[in-house]
Amino acid sequence: GQNIDQPTEMTATEGAIVQINCTYQTSGFNGLFWYQQHAGEAPTFLSYNVLDGLEEKGRFSSFLSRSKGYSYLLLKELQMKDSASYLCAVRDSDYKLSFGAGTTVTVRA
Amino acid sequence: IAGITQAPTSQILAAGRRMTLRCTQDMRHNAMYWYRQDLGLGLRLIHYSNTAGTTGKGEVPDGYSVSRANTDDFPLTLASAVPSQTSVYFCASSPSGGAVDTQYFGPGTRLTVL
Repeated sequence: GQNIDQPTEMTATEGAIVQINCTYQTSGFNGLFWYQQHAGEAPTFLSYNVLDGLEEKGRFSSFLSRSKGYSYLLLKELQMKDSASYLCAVRDSDYKLSFGAGTTVTVRA
Repeated sequence: IAGITQAPTSQILAAGRRMTLRCTQDMRHNAMYWYRQDLGLGLRLIHYSNTAGTTGKGEVPDGYSVSRANTDDFPLTLASAVPSQTSVYFCASSPSGGAVDTQYFGPGTRLTVL
């Protein structure tokens, strides 16, 4: 099984940077995903890491350390539209996703 | 292209009633999934199908059944609904269900069982 931990809530100011951490304990590992979910909407894919290191995609970056069971999602130049929940998900050896409970990010003006 | 559609959008159901949540995708994805999302618990996998004609149990399968008669449709049935099944249900699909692929989610069904 999987145990995935991420903070419940974070608040930041428009234009700032926020880092959302995710730690996991897994019986098998085949990649880590980050999804964004606005209130009342479906999750949408943000990023994927399977090898150690940083993946950058515009204002969003995701980092993975497999040896530490650790990932983070970095949101830069925060905008009001970035207010959402961010879900960390680990894919196991059977290629099934297990999700953390999500981190709600509130961006304030 | 619609992607993934789910129906109904929301439903209030009396306990003990039978209910089928519908999910259809037009992306020709092989794999499909059903999740429930509850506050503080995140998304939990109920059932999945790696390809038409096959299904498997996820983390929380009890009280639910699925079928996969074709590539596009993956209905989820609650045989006799109970209040603990009150949740938001998301259907998802992915191209292969195996190697590097991403799951895409439908808009969700909000189900209340009284």
